[in-house]
Amino acid sequence: EVQLVESGGGLIQPGGSLRLSCAASGFTVSSSYMTWVRQAPGKGLEWVSYIYSGGSTFYADSVRGRFSISRDNSKNTLYLQVNSLRAEDTAVYYCARAYDYSFDYWGQGTLVTVSS
Amino acid sequence: QTVVTQEPSFSVSPGGTATLTCGLSSGSVSTSYYPSWYQQTPGQAPRTLIYKTNTRSSGVPDRFSGSILGNKAALTITGAQADDESDYYCVLYLGSGVWVFGGGTKLTVL
Repeated sequence: EVQLVESGGGLIQPGGSLRLSCAASGFTVSSSYMTWVRQAPGKGLEWVSYIYSGGSTFYADSVRGRFSISRDNSKNTLYLQVNSLRAEDTAVYYCARAYDYSFDYWGQGTLVTVSS
Repeated sequence: QTVVTQEPSFSVSPGGTATLTCGLSSGSVSTSYYPSWYQQTPGQAPRTLIYKTNTRSSGVPDRFSGSILGNKAALTITGAQADDESDYYCVLYLGSGVWVFGGGTKLTVL
């Protein structure tokens, strides 16, 4: 059974950093395309970042230069390093597997709150 | 900057048909954008309904269908039920690893 479990969210001051994790089971992260999507409170979904199985990475303009997607093959885990956080980065962050041009499996999300 | 447009809200009567659309601020949506559709209820993660324009995800009832209508992608729900009341999002693949979500449509069944 495919499962994705995010962790690492929390309350962080503006300008701070966090590393979000997405532990996968039932498939291999390193062989998959993976993505991060976020949702600000009461708002819609926003695509954040994407990683190819080959390792190429892509970012939304709103986070490029501040966020970094990576993975640890030995732990079958996807990461999102989020730096220079702003109030507008407050959101639930979801990881999802991308397969056949869809996001077919999603985690339950982890909440990041940026506030002083 | 590419903006993906969706109706902010849509109402349908029980048993009726709802067609939600997904367009581009400039240009037309085609199958080359691989439109997909997701359903989300409050407090839950999104659920995949349709991908690659018109392929239903596993377990999705055939009341849900996807298509291209004119210059937009469309999600059609036939025989709407009370538990279809949710937020619906489309996402388009722009190529080169870049995706864009629409703003979402809040569907009311009443």
